[in-house]
Amino acid sequence: KAGVTQTPRYLIKTRGQQVTLSCSPISGHRSVSWYQQTPGQGLQFLFEYFSETQRNKGNFPGRFSGRQFSNSRSEMNVSTLELGDSALYLCASSRSMAGETQYFGPGTRLLVL
Amino acid sequence: AQTVTQSQPEMSVQEAETVTLSCTYDTSESDYYLFWYKQPPSRQMILVIRQEAYKQQNATENRFSVNFQKAAKSFSLKISDSQLGDAAMYFCAYRRVGGGADGLTFGKGTHLIIQP
Repeated sequence: KAGVTQTPRYLIKTRGQQVTLSCSPISGHRSVSWYQQTPGQGLQFLFEYFSETQRNKGNFPGRFSGRQFSNSRSEMNVSTLELGDSALYLCASSRSMAGETQYFGPGTRLLVL
Repeated sequence: AQTVTQSQPEMSVQEAETVTLSCTYDTSESDYYLFWYKQPPSRQMILVIRQEAYKQQNATENRFSVNFQKAAKSFSLKISDSQLGDAAMYFCAYRRVGGGADGLTFGKGTHLIIQP
C-alpha cells in the first residue's frame, strides 16, 4: 500500500505571496492532519480534516487554511507569507479521528525569503 | 492543555548497547494514546511504538519497548541492541481518545546518536 505523499517537496516563496501544499493520504484513510515543524517551536498541530470537514484546529492565524476533497486528498494554503512561515509542513493520515495512529508523509519544506 | 516533555535533547549510545529515552506528559484525561515516532535525518517520520493508556501491559515492537507508568505520567522508550540505523530524532506524542482539538501533541524530541 502506498504511503502518504506530499507535493511539492521543496518550495521557495517570497514574503507576501501565498502557497498551496498538497497531501494524498494512504488509501482508505479518511482523516488528514497537518503539522508545522520548525527548529524553534518543534512540531505544532495546524488542523485536521475528516470527511471533507475541518474537525480540529490548532493555534495558528487565519492565514493558514485547508480543505479536504471527497477522495480524502487535502490541501493547505498559507496566504500573505511571512519569514516565520519557513518550516517543514507535514501531513499525516489515519483511518479515523478516534486516536488512530497517524502515518506521516515526507513533508514539504517551505522557505520564505 | 496537555503537554509532553522530553528532558534529554541528545543521547549517545554505543552500537549494540541499550538506551532509554524519557518522556513525561501532563493531562487531565484518563483515556489517551501515547506514541513514539522516529525521524531520521532528512527522512520522514515513522511510528516506532504505540501505547493505549487503558492497557497496563507495556507495548513492545522487536527491539523497542516502553515503560508506561500511568500514575507518574511517564512513557519511556527502551531500545535494545542499538543499531546504526536507529540514529534519528525521537519524538514522544500524546493524543486523547476520540481525537482532540490539539491533534497529536509532541515533545521537543531527543536526538539519538549511535557510536560505532
